[in-house]
Amino acid sequence: QSVLTQPPSASGTPGQRVTISCSGSSSNIGSNTVNWYQQLPGTAPKLLIYSNNQRPSGVPDRFSGSKSGTSASLAISGLQSEDEADYYCAAWDDSLNGHVVFGGGTKLTVL
Amino acid sequence: QLQLQESGPGLVKPSETLSLTCTVSGGSISSSSYYWGWIRQPPGKGLEWIGSIYYSGSTYYNPSLKSRVTISVDTSKNQFSLKLSSVTAADTAVYYCTSMVRGVIIFDYWGQGTLVTVSS
Repeated sequence: QSVLTQPPSASGTPGQRVTISCSGSSSNIGSNTVNWYQQLPGTAPKLLIYSNNQRPSGVPDRFSGSKSGTSASLAISGLQSEDEADYYCAAWDDSLNGHVVFGGGTKLTVL
Repeated sequence: QLQLQESGPGLVKPSETLSLTCTVSGGSISSSSYYWGWIRQPPGKGLEWIGSIYYSGSTYYNPSLKSRVTISVDTSKNQFSLKLSSVTAADTAVYYCTSMVRGVIIFDYWGQGTLVTVSS
């Protein structure tokens, strides 16, 4: 059972816009920034979005993030076949002396 | 650009201690900008943060693993290490070493990962 809650799956057709939600609590998302990671099959995760809505260099602007209260979202516009991957949200949690928490991951399928 | 590489046994017996080392290249492990940490992923499952260490030795651990985990750093070798004691089959996973940017708590560089299987 992950501390952050994500839908296990999402899907869309090429060109569509999809969103993935991440729900937490006051001790994590409610008081800290959210980061998103993309994991392509058979590879290590890659930082996709940091500090709620910032893109590292090289990440297309089709990817965007937002946060409101104790929830966050990742949006992917202009969906492409290469976006098929697992997506994870993560945040710092202030409880129990502080620790990192992840969402359970969302598998995105491009139909 | 940082590069991280995990090393260690791929098979560990139940009740024994899992030991992994991460070698950092392309930068100094004594950088004030980073923590260094471990994340694992059981087969077919999600990511779980294990813990992180600063070059000074300051550590943060996952509360659910804290009693079994020790992370240490060797600045002379530019390496950091993970020890997980009393392992069971539930500890079978791909173990990744990562750099964690201080302040924003982001994992920006990852090793390729190493599969550790717990089995007799």
